[in-house]
Amino acid sequence: AQKITQTQPGMFVQEKEAVTLDCTYDTSDPSYGLFWYKQPSSGEMIFLIYQGSYDQQNATEGRYSLNFQKARKSANLVISASQLGDSAMYFCAMREALTNSGNTPLVFGKGTRLSVIA
Amino acid sequence: GAVVSQHPSWVICKSGTSVKIECRSLDFQATTMFWYRQFPKQSLMLMATSNEGSKATYEQGVEKDKFLINHASLTLSTLTVTSAHPEDSSFYICSARDLYDRAFPSYEQYFGPGTRLTVT
Repeated sequence: AQKITQTQPGMFVQEKEAVTLDCTYDTSDPSYGLFWYKQPSSGEMIFLIYQGSYDQQNATEGRYSLNFQKARKSANLVISASQLGDSAMYFCAMREALTNSGNTPLVFGKGTRLSVIA
Repeated sequence: GAVVSQHPSWVICKSGTSVKIECRSLDFQATTMFWYRQFPKQSLMLMATSNEGSKATYEQGVEKDKFLINHASLTLSTLTVTSAHPEDSSFYICSARDLYDRAFPSYEQYFGPGTRLTVT
C-alpha cells in the first residue's frame, strides 16, 4: 500500500492566488514526521515545511502553511499569494519512527506539478 | 550551511561501462546517506541507505551487485553503477543526515543537486 498519496498530478493557479496541494498518508506509527519539498526543473530538492505528528499547531513558514488533519491522515500544503517562481513539482514525504533506529529515510509521494499563471 | 554536492552533475556513458557518482557533505559530517533514483516525471524512489564504515542497506528490488555503495568517510559516499544499461538512465539524488542532528523524526535530510545519467 502506498504510504503517501498525492491525488493531483497537476494544478494551475493564478498569480497572487492561494493554492492547496493535497497529501494523505498511511501509517500505524504514532510518531512520524511529514515534509513538503519543492523540485524545480533544475532537479534540486528544496525543503519547504515540516509537521510532526505530535505538533499541536499547524506548521507555517512564510507563504507556506500545512493544514494538518491527523484524524483524516492528511497534510495539505497551502501556498498563499502564488508567484511565478512557485511553478515546480511539489512532493509530500513522510518519515516514520518505526524502530527509532534514527536512519529511517523519507518516503515520497508521486508529486504534484504546480503551474502558476500570470 | 548544510550543503551536499554531487559529482558529476551529468554523465553520458556507453552500455556496459561503469559509472561512479560521488556525494559529499561539504560543511557537516554525515553519519547516514540515502541514495534515491528518479525517473522522468516520477517520484524519488529510495535505493539504499548507507552508514559510514558499514555495508549499505538496499531496498527490495535494488541489485546490490549492480549499484555498489561505499560510505568511506563521514563526508563522502559513492554510488557505482556497474555494467550500466540504457534502463539505468535516470536522475540519481543523494541525501545526507547531519551527524549531530539528533531530532527525530524531524531531522532534515539535505539533498544533493542530483546526477543525470544517460546510458547509450
